[in-house]
Amino acid sequence: QVQLQESGPGLVKPSETLSLTCTVSGDSMRNNHWTWIRQSPGEGLEWIGRVHTSGDIKYNPSLESRLTMSADASKKQFSLNLKSMTAADTAIYYCARIGTYSGTFGYFDYWGQGVLVTVSS
Amino acid sequence: DIVLTQSPGTLSLSPGQRATLSCWASRNLPKNRLAWFQQKPGQAPRLLIYGASIRATDIPDRFSGSGSGTDFTLTISRLEPEDFAVYYCQQYGSAVMYTFGQGTKLEI
Repeated sequence: QVQLQESGPGLVKPSETLSLTCTVSGDSMRNNHWTWIRQSPGEGLEWIGRVHTSGDIKYNPSLESRLTMSADASKKQFSLNLKSMTAADTAIYYCARIGTYSGTFGYFDYWGQGVLVTVSS
Repeated sequence: DIVLTQSPGTLSLSPGQRATLSCWASRNLPKNRLAWFQQKPGQAPRLLIYGASIRATDIPDRFSGSGSGTDFTLTISRLEPEDFAVYYCQQYGSAVMYTFGQGTKLEI
């Protein structure tokens, strides 16, 4: 069974950089893309970006200028760095696996439990 | 990019009834690249349907997805008490980014 677990600070100061890590178990990581999604309190879902251990990376254009993602199959982890944080970035951050079938991919089949990140001084 | 609009915003039904949730895409989704998720309070979303109509692992057969192009539907044939939650559609047909609908709250 594939399991994902987010780790990182629950509180970040304005203008600082958020660093989150997702640890994967039950999967080698090499056959799928991996992704981050966030959900502001009481709001909907926003896709942040995706990464593959091959180096293929795609970001949400609205976050691209502040965002860096990476993946390390040997550690079974992938990570997110989001700089210049503001209150608008306060959200639950989820990591997830991107499912694939018949040569297509893009849906999210396994999720972590999420970590609430609050931006406040 | 591709905007998804879900309807209705809130759906009030009773256990045993049939639920029909709609999701419209602002542009055609090639190869029916649309998924549905269920989210309960305090939990991560759970994948129900992908490819517009393929049930994910361990999803009961009372959940079904249909549609193509820009119009998609999630149907729950006979509501169980545990089905009352928020439902989101998500598209992965865009080469630029993935997007979600705003959600439909299914309440008793």
